[in-house]
Amino acid sequence: QQQVKQSPQSLIVQKGGIPIINCAYENTAFDYFPWYQQFPGKGPALLIAIRPDVSEKKEGRFTISFNKSAKQFSLHIMDSQPGDSATYFCAAKGTSGSRLTFGEGTQLTVNP
Amino acid sequence: DTAVSQTPKYLVTQMGNDKSIKCEQNLGHDTMYWYKQDSKKFLKIMFSYNNKELIINETVPNRFSPKSPDKAHLNLHINSLELGDSAVYFCASSYGPGLQYFGPGTRLTVL
Repeated sequence: QQQVKQSPQSLIVQKGGIPIINCAYENTAFDYFPWYQQFPGKGPALLIAIRPDVSEKKEGRFTISFNKSAKQFSLHIMDSQPGDSATYFCAAKGTSGSRLTFGEGTQLTVNP
Repeated sequence: DTAVSQTPKYLVTQMGNDKSIKCEQNLGHDTMYWYKQDSKKFLKIMFSYNNKELIINETVPNRFSPKSPDKAHLNLHINSLELGDSAVYFCASSYGPGLQYFGPGTRLTVL
């Protein structure tokens, strides 16, 4: 049972563009929404995370927008660079414990 | 210093063999996990241990058996390997309800 849906599956942008990756969840018993970045041959690494009482969080060029009523959240990458080319996963953590439910992943390619 | 380490990084073996993957974390975390990442990159949780106690046991063939000798180590033993077991296996750890930190992965290829 997939509880976090992520789109698009893949995304190609030019350097300097602003790729946007969207996620939607069904379970309201989630209390933390991290994004992970995975480069080929590496493990996923935490990129940025947000709690549902905040509508936006920025860290450097990465911004999460969160819409609690719509149960949606998205990742924006400002001034994208070829080095941002990776697979991005959204996730949601339940209110009890630390279990994460992951989205299906988005393969981002930033062309020079 | 590597926070979450796994050995081996690559594992190539024949169908029917038994193999183990080891994971160690030096973060002092209570909870450790095993994930399977298939060719489509989907991350599927398999098991989770908290202080050596199994707390998540997803629908995984019983050929897969996790073992946690202490809270810093979580190993994965796989019996009678099948072609469909080929994937990348990730170990992760977390502290309390905190965020998970992943290891570098073990790419398992079953021939």
